[in-house]
Amino acid sequence: AQTVTQSQPEMSVQEAETVTLSCTYDTSENNYYLFWYKQPPSRQMILVIRQEAYKQQNATENRFSVNFQKAAKSFSLKISDSQLGDTAMYFCAFIQYNNNDMRFGAGTRLTVKP
Amino acid sequence: EAGVVQSPRYKIIEKKQPVAFWCNPISGHNTLYWYLQNLGQGPELLIRYENEEAVDDSQLPKDRFSAERLKGVDSTLKIQPAELGDSAVYLCASSLDGGARETQYFGPGTRLLVL
Repeated sequence: AQTVTQSQPEMSVQEAETVTLSCTYDTSENNYYLFWYKQPPSRQMILVIRQEAYKQQNATENRFSVNFQKAAKSFSLKISDSQLGDTAMYFCAFIQYNNNDMRFGAGTRLTVKP
Repeated sequence: EAGVVQSPRYKIIEKKQPVAFWCNPISGHNTLYWYLQNLGQGPELLIRYENEEAVDDSQLPKDRFSAERLKGVDSTLKIQPAELGDSAVYLCASSLDGGARETQYFGPGTRLLVL
C-alpha cells in the first residue's frame, strides 16, 4: 500500500522568506502523480502544484516549486517570498496512475509571520 | 462558476442518531468523491462515483454508512446510527473525470460532532 509521510507537523516562516515543506512516499509503482494541496483555515482545500512521476523537470507555479527526487521518493514544496495568505495546512498527496485512490499525508501546518 | 457545495457546514448530534450530508459538485464534473478527515490527519477516501455508479467504496463502513448519487449529479452520504468515533470533517470533492491526473476540487466540508 502506498503511504505518504510528512515529518513536519508545524512550521513557521517570516513574511517574504522562503520555506520548504518535506514529503516522502512509499510505492513500488513507477507511474504516479504527486500533489501539494493547501487548506487555509476554515476554507476549502485547493491544489497548489502537481508533478508527474515520468517528468524529470520539477514543477513550478509562480512562488511554489517542488524538488522531486524519484529515487529517494521525496517530494518537497518550496514557497518563495512567503505571504500572510500562505498560512494554511499543506497536504502532500500521491495517486497511482491506474488507481484513483488518492493518499494524503497528515499535513504540515504553516504559519507565515508578519 | 460555483465550486463544490456542501451542507450543512456543521452538525451536532447525539450518538445513535442518523445524520446525512449533501454535496453538489461542480457542474459538468462526472466524478464525485467523499472523504473523511479526522483531526490532525489528511483526508481518506470513503467512496468514489463515476456518474451515478459507485466505482470504489472499499473504504466505506457499510454497516452504518451509505451513499447515493441518483441522476449522477448531487450526492448524499448517510450515517445510521452515528457513533462517537464518527466525529470528523466529511469532505466532498469532484473532478472532470476519474483520471489520476485530474485536479480534485474540494468543498468546504461538513464538521460532524457526535455527543
